[in-house]
Amino acid sequence: QQQVKQSPQSLIVQKGGISIINCAYENTAFDYFPWYQQFPGKGPALLIAIRPDVSEKKEGRFTISFNKSAKQFSLHIMDSQPGDSATYFCAASGVQGAQKLVFGQGTRLTINP
Amino acid sequence: GAGVSQSPSNKVTEKGKDVELRCDPISGHTALYWYRQRLGQGLEFLIYFQGNSAPDKSGLPSDRFSAERTGESVSTLTIQRTQQEDSAVYLCASSPASRGYIQYFGAGTRLSVL
Repeated sequence: QQQVKQSPQSLIVQKGGISIINCAYENTAFDYFPWYQQFPGKGPALLIAIRPDVSEKKEGRFTISFNKSAKQFSLHIMDSQPGDSATYFCAASGVQGAQKLVFGQGTRLTINP
Repeated sequence: GAGVSQSPSNKVTEKGKDVELRCDPISGHTALYWYRQRLGQGLEFLIYFQGNSAPDKSGLPSDRFSAERTGESVSTLTIQRTQQEDSAVYLCASSPASRGYIQYFGAGTRLSVL
């Protein structure tokens, strides 16, 4: 119930291509779905997040698509750049007060120049 | 400082020794979290503190693990009688009261148990 499943484990995309990472959750009490980006030797940094009252959120080249009925959400990176090479984690939590994040297993993204 | 600060950045210890890891949250943040990240894995929740409320310890893997926080400031994570399976990066995050679901992470402490 508390798991968030993320795929793929690793992804290689050519520069300029679209990177797509998928996540699925079980707990319907989750109502906040962030994506974190982590570079080697650094802590995760919040990239973009969505609440379940919208089906899509876009910030620059990054878009989250959210399917509440399927309990799935995905990250799309348009015009992928070598600087986007990092590990990406999806996560889920509640919103009321402080809430622990439940993380996916991570996707190591490599953008080839 | 401007961000979450963790120390030490790296710690090598012998099996059976105790270790203490430190986290300085962003000033004014009421909530503080500890996570563990094993090599190639996602982040695993350990414990969180929210103001003066009792901490949520539900993620601590064994009684060898404990954590303390003084008010809304520094926190220490202590691992007693370390085992090789404790080797991981330990990450601390903090969040403000107004938007408690947004967590800001430190760079972590890489713990290696030999």
